[in-house]
Amino acid sequence: QKEVEQDPGPLSVPEGAIVSLNCTYSNSAFQYFMWYRQYSRKGPELLMYTYSSGNKEDGRFTAQVDKSSKYISLFIRDSQPSDSATYLCAMSDSGGYQKVTFGTGTKLQVIP
Amino acid sequence: DVKVTQSSRYLVKRTGEKVFLECVQDMDHENMFWYRQDPGLGLRLIYFSYDVKMKEKGDIPEGYSVSREKKERFSLILESASTNQTSMYLCATRGRGDTEAFFGQGTRLTVV
Repeated sequence: QKEVEQDPGPLSVPEGAIVSLNCTYSNSAFQYFMWYRQYSRKGPELLMYTYSSGNKEDGRFTAQVDKSSKYISLFIRDSQPSDSATYLCAMSDSGGYQKVTFGTGTKLQVIP
Repeated sequence: DVKVTQSSRYLVKRTGEKVFLECVQDMDHENMFWYRQDPGLGLRLIYFSYDVKMKEKGDIPEGYSVSREKKERFSLILESASTNQTSMYLCATRGRGDTEAFFGQGTRLTVV
């Protein structure tokens, strides 16, 4: 079993839809939870991160962490064609230089 | 503006060749990482370095080595390239104690 599971998609939605992206994990030591966005032929860039459980909102994006269920989500409201990308969840058990475990990524397409 | 620069976007090499992938950062970050990204497998850590001349194996170090002689430069070496090393290679950096990693644009390596 992989430490982090993520549905690869692809996920195709109409512009303006609410998008839900999810990851599950098995390592209860994970405390830092991140979402990266990767446009085609580019490197990933950090979108949001949360520490431990709870919600975090940034504009149209909301990240949720449920440590009891080992489940994290990223919600995108009013999705735009510019949101079309691959979204990778990532987790680590500490900050600093400790390695980060990535999900496989979910490819999202927002259709105008 | 943060910059992580990988020396090549695309490389084609022959089986058995020695291959060098270079990564340079201008952020004075202590930590540098090499990942490979493959469809369905996500990002997998090959090696990382938390200081000059220091290196640690990641999850899939076999067939690779690294060099970090200067803080800003981290090189990935394929001693004898094989076709199963055809992949997208991503370099990343992270400051000590930081959560966010900054990625380069990636090098798509094809071994024929």
